[in-house]
Amino acid sequence: DVKVTQSSRYLVKRTGEKVFLECVQDMDHENMFWYRQDPGLGLRLIYFSYDVKMKEKGDIPEGYSVSREKKERFSLILESASTNQTSMYLCASSQGRTSFHSPLHFGNGTRLTVT
Amino acid sequence: GQNIDQPTEMTATEGAIVQINCTYQTSGFNGLFWYQQHAGEAPTFLSYNVLDGLEEKGRFSSFLSRSKGYSYLLLKELQMKDSASYLCAVRDTGDKIIFGKGTRLHILP
Repeated sequence: DVKVTQSSRYLVKRTGEKVFLECVQDMDHENMFWYRQDPGLGLRLIYFSYDVKMKEKGDIPEGYSVSREKKERFSLILESASTNQTSMYLCASSQGRTSFHSPLHFGNGTRLTVT
Repeated sequence: GQNIDQPTEMTATEGAIVQINCTYQTSGFNGLFWYQQHAGEAPTFLSYNVLDGLEEKGRFSSFLSRSKGYSYLLLKELQMKDSASYLCAVRDTGDKIIFGKGTRLHILP
C-alpha cells in the first residue's frame, strides 16, 4: 500500500512566520502535489512536481514555494504566513506521466491555523 | 479557462440509486477521476475513465462522454456509509490534476 505521510496533523502559527509543511511518500512515485482544501472551494492545486528539483505552479501559487531535493520528499513553504492561508493542506503522490491512469494517493492532511 | 462543475449537495435514501454529474472544460484531457472523501479524512480513489463509456466496479459505476465534457458517478444500493463528499477531477495536460468543488451526498434511512 502506498503511504503518504505529512509531518503534522495540526499546526498553529503566527502571522509573518515562515512555515514548512513536509510530505514523504514511500512508493517511488515521480509526481507529488500540494493542494489546499477550503469549505465551498474544494481542492485547489498550489504546486506540483514531476521530478526531483522540478516544479510547476498550480492554480494558486501566490504566497507559497516548494522544494523537492529528494524523490520521496516534497515540502511546501509559506514564506510569510498570513491569516488567509489558514486551511487544510493535502499532499498527494502518483506515478509519472507515462501512467495517466495512476490515481493520486493522499496524506491525511495538515490543518494549519494562522493567527 | 478551466472549469469543473458538480452539484454542491444531494440527498438520497438508503437502498436507492443516485447519480452525481460532473461537467468539465479543460485545456487538455488525460482522464477523469472520481474520489470519495469522508468528513475529516483524505480523499480515496474510486474510478478512472479516459475512454467514452461506462466503467463498473461493484456498486459504483462511472461514465464518460469526452465529446460532451461530461461524466457521472452512479451509486447503487446506497448504504449509510456512502454519506461522503464525491470529488470529480480531471488530469489536464501532463501531470496536472484539477478538482471540482465536490458533491456532498447525504443518505437518509
